[in-house]
Amino acid sequence: GENVEQHPSTLSVQEGDSAVIKCTYSDSASNYFPWYKQELGKRPQLIIDIRSNVGEKKDQRIAVTLNKTAKHFSLHITETQPEDSAVYFCAASIDMGRRALTFGSGTRLQVQP
Amino acid sequence: DSGVTQTPKHLITATGQRVTLRCSPRSGDLSVYWYQQSLDQGLQFLIQYYNGEERAKGNILERFSAQQFPDLHSELNLSSLELGDSALYFCASSVHLNTGELFFGEGSRLTVL
Repeated sequence: GENVEQHPSTLSVQEGDSAVIKCTYSDSASNYFPWYKQELGKRPQLIIDIRSNVGEKKDQRIAVTLNKTAKHFSLHITETQPEDSAVYFCAASIDMGRRALTFGSGTRLQVQP
Repeated sequence: DSGVTQTPKHLITATGQRVTLRCSPRSGDLSVYWYQQSLDQGLQFLIQYYNGEERAKGNILERFSAQQFPDLHSELNLSSLELGDSALYFCASSVHLNTGELFFGEGSRLTVL
């Protein structure tokens, strides 16, 4: 099955700085890579996703990059704000395949005001 | 509000007991997924159903079972409970199979004493 590794496990940045979270996956057949944000005591929510036919996707202050050759994808958050503080999970799956999303272990991001 | 309803929100029980967690997916969603989140842990995939049929299994213990009913609601049954089963159990739903956004419920927090 798929194995998704996520780093770092915790990340502390100053408000206004950028944050980068990195993930690697093991199954070269994986082609769908979403990122979920989980605020304290709340449910995970999708913030951005990317499919393997593109290398980068942006949505305002967040962006995701994908390197299929290295089986590596990253989440970039620019101009961080205190409300960005949460646990972020990367995940991988085969679109329409017989395997559900495999999540990484999560990164706890703390944005210091 | 994601549209996914999970009951109960909190459950406290003793070792050796059996509990049932219930999930109602978003209207129109055919796929239901169950994930387990232990303290400070990631989201571990348990099992997935699509339109009433089991489609994928993760690291689900033999003591655990699930089903999806004709009205598309799902139940996760946990038996012979152990202390280590204490966790937050999330149900999620999506329109299609293993593609697009997963909509998570608020979770059922199980405490085994």
